[in-house]
Amino acid sequence: DIQMTQSPSFVSASVGDRVTITCRASQGISSWLAWYQQKPGRAPNLLIFAASTLQNGVPSRFSGSGSGTDFTLTISSLQPEDFATYYCQQSNSFPFTFGPGTKVDIK
Amino acid sequence: QVQLVQSGAEVKKPGSSVKVSCEASGGTFSSSFISWVRQAPGQGLECMGRIVPMFGTTNYVQKFQGRLTITADDSTNTAYMELSSLTSDDTAVYYCAREGTATGAGTFDSWGQGTLVTVSS
Repeated sequence: DIQMTQSPSFVSASVGDRVTITCRASQGISSWLAWYQQKPGRAPNLLIFAASTLQNGVPSRFSGSGSGTDFTLTISSLQPEDFATYYCQQSNSFPFTFGPGTKVDIK
Repeated sequence: QVQLVQSGAEVKKPGSSVKVSCEASGGTFSSSFISWVRQAPGQGLECMGRIVPMFGTTNYVQKFQGRLTITADDSTNTAYMELSSLTSDDTAVYYCAREGTATGAGTFDSWGQGTLVTVSS
């Protein structure tokens, strides 16, 4: 199985800050990488797929980049509704695996 | 986009089984992969397996082989996840999720609301 890691595991940030989260796969996954946002008590919500394609309805302050084994999610200007946990997930091969998550909290 | 509605919370005894349903409406269901993903309390997300309702084709994560059964009823747009030989480690929120057509296989563009399964004696 492909192992996914994320860093940092926790980010303390303020509204308006630029936030960057990194994700690494244990082997090359081309661009088969998605990012999800999850708020407490809610199901995850797809933000980005194919490493850099924004899902319909997702604000443009979210962006993704990377290929192979190293990927990045960037929030250009953090908004109050962005405080949540973010997960990366590889869709290169079954079983599809998630990173352990990065919690973005209010400073 | 498809809407997925799951059955309600369950409390089960160790050693028993649980069956959770996931009903789809408003979008492509039968020809899409429907996956099951679980999340233990305070933990991350874990794929369990998936099914294509139209064909009944399934894939199971090896960890759950032998005690996980995923089925679907194409006529009612409903998928089911049954997990047997439950232990306290199976206490989690179980989600169904659709692998999107536009987003590609393995990317989950629609999710159910989640079903809490508590395993306790």
